[in-house]
Amino acid sequence: GDSVTQMEGPVTLSEEAFLTINCTYTATGYPSLFWYVQYPGEGLQLLLKATKADDKGSNKGFEATYRKETTSFHLEKGSVQVSDSAVYFCAFYTGANSKLTFGKGITLSVRP
Amino acid sequence: DAGVTQSPTHLIKTRGQQVTLRCSPKSGHDTVSWYQQALGQGPQFIFQYYEEEERQRGNFPDRFSGHQFPNYSSELNVNALLLGDSALYLCASSFLSATQGEQFFGPGTRLTVL
Repeated sequence: GDSVTQMEGPVTLSEEAFLTINCTYTATGYPSLFWYVQYPGEGLQLLLKATKADDKGSNKGFEATYRKETTSFHLEKGSVQVSDSAVYFCAFYTGANSKLTFGKGITLSVRP
Repeated sequence: DAGVTQSPTHLIKTRGQQVTLRCSPKSGHDTVSWYQQALGQGPQFIFQYYEEEERQRGNFPDRFSGHQFPNYSSELNVNALLLGDSALYLCASSFLSATQGEQFFGPGTRLTVL
């Protein structure tokens, strides 16, 4: 069935370190792909999206490329900040069932 | 422009009780989806409403029901609460015509069942 697999966490990095969070998906059809971020005590905020193969979504220094051949959408940032500490969720959407399917999320902690 | 709002922020109930959660969508949006987020997990789709009708439903029992009003706001009702219903309940709004699936989330309602 449809699913999203995210790398196991948590992840702890020093400020200015490089970040990669892996995400792969199994979906029926041709999904749109998303990264959402959840700060402590808050709901989900859309971080970036990509809707077709080879599209690159980007926002706030974060990037992810839609790789159809590997069914992946890995999140990267060249230099993380303390303010990036949050939980990151990979998700996809297909029109067939009108829902977002999420991964389990990964907690990122950035230390000064 | 107000985003998605939810009420209440927190709620404590006991097993067997019933609860109603409320959601107002982002201005102009016509579709509301509800998700359950258990601690340490990703959100799970409960159902989606459009034009006051349930369009899609996830793998949740009939104890979970909903409603959408003419102004597009929505309610989630859960009957016969179980301890396992303790979670963050998220409401998301969107345009039905948004084929790319972007949804905007509210801050959530934290439900604790004792």
